[in-house]
Amino acid sequence: ELKVEQNPLFLSMQEGKNYTIYCNYSTTSDRLYWYRQDPGKSLESLFVLLSNGAVKQEGRLMASLDTKARLSTLHITAAVHDLSATYFCAVEPSNDYKLSFGAGTTVTVRA
Amino acid sequence: DSGVTQTPKHLITATGQRVTLRCSPRSGDLSVYWYQQSLDQGLQFLIHYYNGEERAKGNILERFSAQQFPDLHSELNLSSLELGDSALYFCASSRITGTPYPNEQFFGPGTRLTVL
Repeated sequence: ELKVEQNPLFLSMQEGKNYTIYCNYSTTSDRLYWYRQDPGKSLESLFVLLSNGAVKQEGRLMASLDTKARLSTLHITAAVHDLSATYFCAVEPSNDYKLSFGAGTTVTVRA
Repeated sequence: DSGVTQTPKHLITATGQRVTLRCSPRSGDLSVYWYQQSLDQGLQFLIHYYNGEERAKGNILERFSAQQFPDLHSELNLSSLELGDSALYFCASSRITGTPYPNEQFFGPGTRLTVL
């Protein structure tokens, strides 16, 4: 069974500082997705990472994928309050179409 | 707005009852997925339909069933409801199924089910 582990599960950030969320997974995959969820809301697609070494950036967020290490990271630069949300990574195993989600990282940005 | 619609937004019902959740995928998307989100289980994949056919099942209880209709909308039927079925149910859709294309899934707003 595919296991997707995110850490940390909770992250209290100070505005202006940099932080990283880690996503480890247990099976072969070269497709990984990052989503954001605001409280009580739906999941919003942030990044699609399709190959080893893939790096995507949008604003203060940057995601990368190392398929050999089975690891993806979501890096947050100079955190701001608007980034407070829960972030999920999701893995699409090879030859399978369903997504397996991590437990989510709840981010709170404080002044 | 992802373009995926779900109705109803909220549903409150009693144990033992049956409910139907409805989902309309984004225009042009052939794949529909159902997920359950709860505090103790997190986000769990339930079932996947592609162009009317069931493609994969996840941790879906036998009391739950789904179908995708010719117009591509999908319904998730939950019966003999228990307290533990209270959760947020999401529908997601994607454009293409199969390599080499990514299976980026777009999520609807969800249906919050409360079983009393």
